[in-house]
Amino acid sequence: NAGVMQNPRHLVRRRGQEARLRCSPMKGHSHVYWYRQLPEEGLKFMVYLQKENIIDESGMPKERFSAEFPKEGPSILRIQQVVRGDSAAYFCASSLLHRSGNTEAFFGQGTRLTVV
Amino acid sequence: EDKVVQSPLSLVVHEGDTVTLNCSYEVTNFRSLLWYKQEKKAPTFLFMLTSSGIEKKSGRLSSILDKKELFSILNITATQTGDSAIYLCAVGRDDKIIFGKGTRLHILP
Repeated sequence: NAGVMQNPRHLVRRRGQEARLRCSPMKGHSHVYWYRQLPEEGLKFMVYLQKENIIDESGMPKERFSAEFPKEGPSILRIQQVVRGDSAAYFCASSLLHRSGNTEAFFGQGTRLTVV
Repeated sequence: EDKVVQSPLSLVVHEGDTVTLNCSYEVTNFRSLLWYKQEKKAPTFLFMLTSSGIEKKSGRLSSILDKKELFSILNITATQTGDSAIYLCAVGRDDKIIFGKGTRLHILP
């Protein structure tokens, strides 16, 4: 039973290129969260998705960032025209929403994006 | 605005000491409070707390929630160098999980 899988683990992009980060949730999980972590800082919420549905994208920058979680395949976080300030670790977490509404999220290993 | 505040931001103690990490929150539609340990990579889940006054324990780690005063503590007794990590507190709502900035704990041998 594999955990949350993220790839690539490391990604280097030049300014202006596109970055695509992938996240496959744990088996049976239909909820995916994306977080960004800057050095020496905590995790900052970006977006919460269910299959084929964006539930909350209040943490996503309005421009250049998008996320999807298709019916088949991994969740994708896409950053267009990357800038140096996008350099960070991006973590994906998946969860199984319990009937009570309580949930714990399990994290992938993260993708470290470096923009040069 | 919803917020989760952890203190202290960093802590250095000697092996064998006991530490208490604090987490206070102001979050609407509270569902649960979560603790994670982050070493070099992915945060790993420690505890989920939903009810006040019920202590959860796992080895040398324990945690308790006070929903009236809106805080939780994480205790680590007889610390070891392997406990060095960032400890993240988070609050689960219906729609998302909100994280604090974390407490960076360093255990000196």
